[in-house]
Amino acid sequence: AQSVTQLDSQVPVFEEAPVELRCNYSSSVSVYLFWYVQYPNQGLQLLLKYLSGSTLVKSINGFEAEFNKSQTSFHLRKPSVHISDTAEYFCAVSDSMFSGGYNKLIFGAGTRLAVHP
Amino acid sequence: DTAVSQTPKYLVTQMGNDKSIKCEQNLGHDTMYWYKQDSKKFLKIMFSYNNKELIINETVPNRFSPKSPDKAHLNLHINSLELGDSAVYFCASSQERGRYGYTFGSGTRLTVV
Repeated sequence: AQSVTQLDSQVPVFEEAPVELRCNYSSSVSVYLFWYVQYPNQGLQLLLKYLSGSTLVKSINGFEAEFNKSQTSFHLRKPSVHISDTAEYFCAVSDSMFSGGYNKLIFGAGTRLAVHP
Repeated sequence: DTAVSQTPKYLVTQMGNDKSIKCEQNLGHDTMYWYKQDSKKFLKIMFSYNNKELIINETVPNRFSPKSPDKAHLNLHINSLELGDSAVYFCASSQERGRYGYTFGSGTRLTVV
């Protein structure tokens, strides 16, 4: 079964500084990878995803993630963070199940990004 | 608005009670899910239905029973609530068997006292 490791439980950073949130997954076979964001007391919102093609994927609010197959990683980066980016960030891998072809999302433990003024 | 909607948003109840959480999606998706988020924010899948058929049933106590009257609805009924059931429960839906990710509801915070 797939697993996802988010190496940092908390990442404090000052406003306008760059940030990287790390994510590693277990499988060496083809995978679909996702980053979700959870703002305080809200649900999860899809930030970006890698399905195929270009290994660098970008969101509309300045985040990007790079799929690295050899290192089984999908790290999330932003060159300059804002106070409003403070949230919990979850990396997830789509685990293709049995013959039915259904996929279930396996989540990492989350990384709390705290942006300080 | 097209979305996944859950009710209620907050639920406080005593141990031993039975409660239900409702979920509806108007996205036209064919698969729906229930996830549990514990106090440490860890997310774990509980159930999944595809067009009213149960396809994922993780190791969840029998006190939890999902019900899907149609492909747009997936409700969660919990019997004999315990303190350890306190968590945030998220409903989600997807198309293409979940390959491209899920759309989540805003969650139901269940507190058992």
